[in-house]
Order: sequence, then C-alpha cells, then structure tokens
Amino acid sequence: NAGVTQTPKFQVLKTGQSMTLQCAQDMNHNSMYWYRQDPGMGLRLIYYSASEGTTDKGEVPNGYNVSRLNKREFSLRLESAAPSQTSVYFCASSDLKNTEAFFGQGTRLTVV
Amino acid sequence: AQSVAQPEDQVNVAEGNPLTVKCTYSVSGNPYLFWYVQYPNRGLQFLLKYITGDNLVKGSYGFEAEFNKSQTSFHLKKPSALVSDSALYFCAALGGSQGNLIFGKGTKLSVKP
Repeated sequence: NAGVTQTPKFQVLKTGQSMTLQCAQDMNHNSMYWYRQDPGMGLRLIYYSASEGTTDKGEVPNGYNVSRLNKREFSLRLESAAPSQTSVYFCASSDLKNTEAFFGQGTRLTVV
Repeated sequence: AQSVAQPEDQVNVAEGNPLTVKCTYSVSGNPYLFWYVQYPNRGLQFLLKYITGDNLVKGSYGFEAEFNKSQTSFHLKKPSALVSDSALYFCAALGGSQGNLIFGKGTKLSVKP
C-alpha cells in the first residue's frame, strides 16, 4: 500500500500566486487532516475532515481552503500565497476506530 | 481549549542511559494519546498509543510511555538510548467529538555516543 501520498514534494511560489496541494490515501480512512510545520511551532492543524463531505477549521485556517473530493482525496488550496505561508505541509489520515494517523512525506512550500 | 504541551524543546542523553521525553495534555473526555517520531526531511512515524487499559504502553523501537490520569501526563521513555534515536518527537492527543488530532510543539532528542 502507498499509504498517504502528497504532491508536489517541493514548490516555490511568488506572492499572490495560487496553488493546490494534493493528498490521497488508500487505507479507506474516514478522517483526513492538513497540518503545517514551522520551526518551534510544532504541527498546527489547518483544516480537517472527519468524513467524506465534511470539513472543519483547525487552529490556523486563514488563507487556505480545502476540498474533500471523495473518501480518498483531500486537497488544500492557497488562493493568494503570502510569504507567511512558507512552511512544510503534511497531510494525514486516520480511521477513528483505530485512531492512529498516517502521514504523507510532506510538501516544502516557499513563497517569495 | 484543548492542548498538548511538551515542556522541553530539547533533551540531551548519553548513549546507553535512560531517556524521558515529557508530555502533558488537556482534552475533554477520555483522551487518546500518541507519540510520533520525525527524522530529518521525513514525515511523522507512529511510535505508540494509549487508548484504554494498562497505563504502560509499549511501542516501536523499544519505546514505552506511561499514562497518568491524575497528572494528565503521557511521558515517553526508553531504558537505554541509542544514537539512532536522535530525532524530533511529538506527543499528540485526540479529543472532542470531531476527532481533532492535536500536537505538541515537539522535543528534539539528541543522543551522544
């Protein structure tokens, strides 16, 4: 099994550009998450989706939108990138029955 | 508000000595608690979890953690540290009805030969 797959692995954007980070899981998990990781800040939750068709804001949702396209896919969109969004982004999924979350390898985004 | 705290930014241990990485939590209801490890330029890897039952849980690579409800703590331990254990360790809690997984800020573990 591939587990959780994120694309792209690296991205450089100019301020004001838009992009979508893709995430797919093949474990039939109900819950999916998007986090950003910044030095000294740990992982901060941007958005999560407890099940297909539902999304909820996390700790730092401003400047982001998400789409739970189906049970497998959960995308994160930056409509107008800002330098403050330079970070490493992680997608994760879990099955609430088991509760252990599995993580993708991360997307390193730089906004210049 | 629900939160997870890791009071130490860094823990330094000599190889062969026991190690402890501290974690305290504040979540509603019965907490589900986790430890993850992150090696440089990698995603997070699951180490162990506490859901219910025995307060001492054992996980991967010889790690264990002790759940203490009265102190709202879930400290990670290993009897004998290895240089290869050097990494960033995250404590996490699943709380609330929505299943929101909350992380601490991480503790960098450095094991010296």
